[in-house]
Amino acid sequence: DTEVTQTPKHLVMGMTNKKSLKCEQHMGHRAMYWYKQKAKKPPELMFVYSYEKLSINESVPSRFSPECPNSSLLNLHLHALQPEDSALYLCASSQDQGGNTEAFFGQGTRLTVV
Amino acid sequence: GEDVEQSLFLSVREGDSSVINCTYTDSSSTYLYWYKQEPGAGLQLLTYIFSNMDMKQDQRLTVLLNKKDKHLSLRIADTQTGDSAIYFCAEKGAAGNKLTFGGGTRVLVKP
Repeated sequence: DTEVTQTPKHLVMGMTNKKSLKCEQHMGHRAMYWYKQKAKKPPELMFVYSYEKLSINESVPSRFSPECPNSSLLNLHLHALQPEDSALYLCASSQDQGGNTEAFFGQGTRLTVV
Repeated sequence: GEDVEQSLFLSVREGDSSVINCTYTDSSSTYLYWYKQEPGAGLQLLTYIFSNMDMKQDQRLTVLLNKKDKHLSLRIADTQTGDSAIYFCAEKGAAGNKLTFGGGTRVLVKP
């Protein structure tokens, strides 16, 4: 099983809403990632969790709040987003953060902020 | 910082070989990856190569790495219409803590 599952697949939210994106993997991976991808652009790293601890925050605005409740789950809590935050949000996982580990991606959540 | 560059577009006829090129600047890169992304979908890991290798073959895919020139290529043999997608190369540096992606190459396979 090399699957990373993201829910929901699509999300439309208003600028005053609070919503959460969810990501799950059962590969025993200890590193999990959030990426943001705008149309026709490569993914941009947002956060890295390693062994359930936040290890990298790429200067992401505080309206995005990650959470790693356990080694299989990764959430991204959204609050007071802007229309320019509309994008495909990708979750990934790897065995750990080290060099010898491939990252597997989920199918993404397509977020539209109205 | 790290920089990864790819050509934007490649058009190829069905049955021909495709070659997608990538250059990178981080001399400490340890692993280099190729991902495929179909419209509206996530990234699918196709293959990867360790920096001390110069070639890796996996069925229709051949990865060539020229570490001196920091040049990576992906060759797809017998290209099929299902190979139409965006292909991203990515590198992981010695710190090993994140991937740096190229801008992606859109491959269009014509029947």
